Amino acid sequence: KAGVTQTPRYLIKTRGQQVTLSCSPISGHRSVSWYQQTPGQGLQFLFEYFSETQRNKGNFPGRFSGRQFSNSRSEMNVSTLELGDSALYLCASSLQAGGDTDTQYFGPGTRLTVL
Amino acid sequence: AQSVTQPDIHITVSEGASLELRCNYSYGATPYLFWYVQSPGQGLQLLLKYFSGDTLVQGIKGFEAEFKRSQSSFNLRKPSVHWSDAAEYFCAVGGRGGGNKLTFGTGTQLKVEL
Repeated sequence: KAGVTQTPRYLIKTRGQQVTLSCSPISGHRSVSWYQQTPGQGLQFLFEYFSETQRNKGNFPGRFSGRQFSNSRSEMNVSTLELGDSALYLCASSLQAGGDTDTQYFGPGTRLTVL
Repeated sequence: AQSVTQPDIHITVSEGASLELRCNYSYGATPYLFWYVQSPGQGLQLLLKYFSGDTLVQGIKGFEAEFKRSQSSFNLRKPSVHWSDAAEYFCAVGGRGGGNKLTFGTGTQLKVEL
């Protein structure tokens, strides 16, 4: 079974631009979560989507948004990029979402550099 | 609020030596605990997880972890380290009622000396 795929793997943008990252979960998985990884803040939860609905949200500004499609693929968007948005963005997929934490499987990440 | 503490930022061990990476957590309900490993430029690979039951859990690559509720700990161990184990290791907590939001520790960078 194929793992979680993320595209693109690398991105270079300039301040003020916007960017869209894509994530395809493991086949059959319906929950997709996004995390930001930086040297200063570590791994931080951005949001989770299940059945095309945002189920959970971390403490990030509204410039960070996401969506999920009917095939469970997810995209996240960052508008008005800032230098501090430079990070590795990781997507994780889970079989289900509900009250309890399910096991999450991570993709290789998208490395975003903001100049 | 939940939190995870990994007190060792860097650890260096000799190949063939035993390894223990420490993890302490804080979680208001029943915790579910995970260890992930990350090689440079890569995503996170799941090593093992604990939801309930036997407090000693076995994972991939010869790793094991022990859940100790009284100490709020979930330490990762390996009896004999291989050079290929050099990587960064992350402990994470979720749990009952937590949804799929994981809280991660700051990670422990493992260096293996040949």
